[in-house]
Amino acid sequence: EDQVTQSPEALRLQEGESSSLNCSYTVSGLRGLFWYRQDPGKGPEFLFTLYSAGEEKEKERLKATLTKKESFLHITAPKPEDSATYLCAVQPGTGANNLFFGTGTRLTVIP
Amino acid sequence: KAGVTQTPRYLIKTRGQQVTLSCSPISGHRSVSWYQQTPGQGLQFLFEYFSETQRNKGNFPGRFSGRQFSNSRSEMNVSTLELGDSALYLCASSRTGTNYGYTFGSGTRLTVV
Repeated sequence: EDQVTQSPEALRLQEGESSSLNCSYTVSGLRGLFWYRQDPGKGPEFLFTLYSAGEEKEKERLKATLTKKESFLHITAPKPEDSATYLCAVQPGTGANNLFFGTGTRLTVIP
Repeated sequence: KAGVTQTPRYLIKTRGQQVTLSCSPISGHRSVSWYQQTPGQGLQFLFEYFSETQRNKGNFPGRFSGRQFSNSRSEMNVSTLELGDSALYLCASSRTGTNYGYTFGSGTRLTVV
């Protein structure tokens, strides 16, 4: 069964304190792993897609990495505006295009 | 470039009623997917439409249905509403639905009382 588990559920960081969010997955083949950011009352905002183990992508203070069993979202020197819920999703390789989402990590960055 | 537009933003309905939600995808995007988001379950896939055809369906009862029009706009309908249907309903569009990032709308917040 396709499954995505994110940890921790919630994370509080001081501004400038770097950390990593984890996304472990079990999927029948992997077509893509997606990271999204979601602010309260809004829809998820696309951040990255990773396709194969060893791949890395960066955007400003965020860097996503992928292994065969998990993905990490590294946040370097976070700012209060990085506070949001970060969602990880996988797209299985078995035909269907739907995404399986984890329940997210709620990040709070304190000034 | 206009994003994914969902209407209405908020709805309050009574148990037993039915509701229709609307989604206008990004211009040129032919795949539209719907998701239900609740605090306990997170985002769960409802269905995907591509070129007016339902390609995939999630594990939801038949009370949940949808359709897509020739201009790629999509609607979803929930009949005989139950309290448990209260959720944020999100629409996502993609060029083809395969390997591309999905762009989400802001969602419709449905409250069933």
